[in-house]
Amino acid sequence: EDKVVQSPLSLVVHEGDTVTLNCSYEVTNFRSLLWYKQEKKAPTFLFMLTSSGIEKKSGRLSSILDKKELFSILNITATQTGDSAVYLCAAAQGGSEKLVFGKGTKLTVNP
Amino acid sequence: NAGVMQNPRHLVRRRGQEARLRCSPMKGHSHVYWYRQLPEEGLKFMVYLQKENIIDESGMPKERFSAEFPKEGPSILRIQQVVRGDSAAYFCASSQDRGETQYFGPGTRLLVL
Repeated sequence: EDKVVQSPLSLVVHEGDTVTLNCSYEVTNFRSLLWYKQEKKAPTFLFMLTSSGIEKKSGRLSSILDKKELFSILNITATQTGDSAVYLCAAAQGGSEKLVFGKGTKLTVNP
Repeated sequence: NAGVMQNPRHLVRRRGQEARLRCSPMKGHSHVYWYRQLPEEGLKFMVYLQKENIIDESGMPKERFSAEFPKEGPSILRIQQVVRGDSAAYFCASSQDRGETQYFGPGTRLLVL
């Protein structure tokens, strides 16, 4: 069965801390790995990773994919209270185009 | 450029009634996906549609659920004879083409009394 597992399920940090969110996947016909940030509304797109070992960066966020070990990490440096959200990891499958989601990591950044 | 639009944002139905959820994709997008999010669960794929075609409905319950994406107008997810277990957030996403990034709408939160 296709599955995506995220860890930890929840995380509480102080502003300024650096966090690493983990995502492992086992899906058939894997094509790419996506990260989304979900607050109380639409999941907003962060990154799409298709190649192993190439880091993608956007401001304080960065992510990398390891297709050999079947995992990805999302790093957030110098966290701010506005980073508080649920971070979703999803594996995209070729052919059907469906996304297989993990349960998310709930990040709380305290001032 | 407006994002993915969904309406209504909240919908309350009594058991046995019908629920109709609408999704307008981003401008220029012709691929639509529906996902369901149950409490404490991740998003689960339901159906993938292009204009006038259902491409993959492997995640749709076999009964009571149907989806369409007509040539004109929004995509519709229809749930007939709703039950309490249908209470969930239903998200729509769209992409410009196959394999492209899926962008999500704000969701419709369905509550079945």
